[in-house]
Amino acid sequence: EAGVAQSPRYKIIEKRQSVAFWCNPISGHATLYWYQQILGQGPKLLIQFQNNGVVDDSQLPKDRFSAERLKGVDSTLKIQPAKLEDSAVYLCASSQGQVYNEQFFGPGTRLTVL
Amino acid sequence: GQSLEQPSEVTAVEGAIVQINCTYQTSGFYGLSWYQQHDGGAPTFLSYNGLDGLEETGRFSSFLSRSDSYGYLLLQELQMKDSASYFCAVDTGRRALTFGSGTRLQVQP
Repeated sequence: EAGVAQSPRYKIIEKRQSVAFWCNPISGHATLYWYQQILGQGPKLLIQFQNNGVVDDSQLPKDRFSAERLKGVDSTLKIQPAKLEDSAVYLCASSQGQVYNEQFFGPGTRLTVL
Repeated sequence: GQSLEQPSEVTAVEGAIVQINCTYQTSGFYGLSWYQQHDGGAPTFLSYNGLDGLEETGRFSSFLSRSDSYGYLLLQELQMKDSASYFCAVDTGRRALTFGSGTRLQVQP
């Protein structure tokens, strides 16, 4: 079974530029999550999708971040414009939505904003 | 608000047993999970406790006391490959996870 795929793995941009990340979850997983992990901290949930609907985006900075999951499969996360404090690893995870919530994480995209 | 407290670092020797504690204060609670993350790697699921008590999976065990808002991860027969960061995470509802800041475990020979 293929794992969660993410691209790109690394991205370096200047502040005020735009960037987009892509995620393809494990086949059949209805729930998809985007997390931001700043160095030395735990992952912080940005947005949760159930199929193509948003379940929770309360911690997403909506003035600059957007995410979509149009067909209920893969997803993109965009930052526009980027700030220095957006430097982090962006992790995508998926789950089947079982009774216990085992989430499967992708390798992440390491973003550096200069 | 939500807060999870766990030690920032723990050091132990190969073959030893180590316990990583986690206390939490969250507005909702459905269960406590533990994840392992090696440097540069993705978090991987270790265990889940939805009810009070001990769950055992091989060398790893996890415990939960809902009345004390407390849990721990117990790692036995430590190996060098266990050197990693360990995160406790609370399911606050809708199966979204709130993670602690992580405990960096260093296993020494």
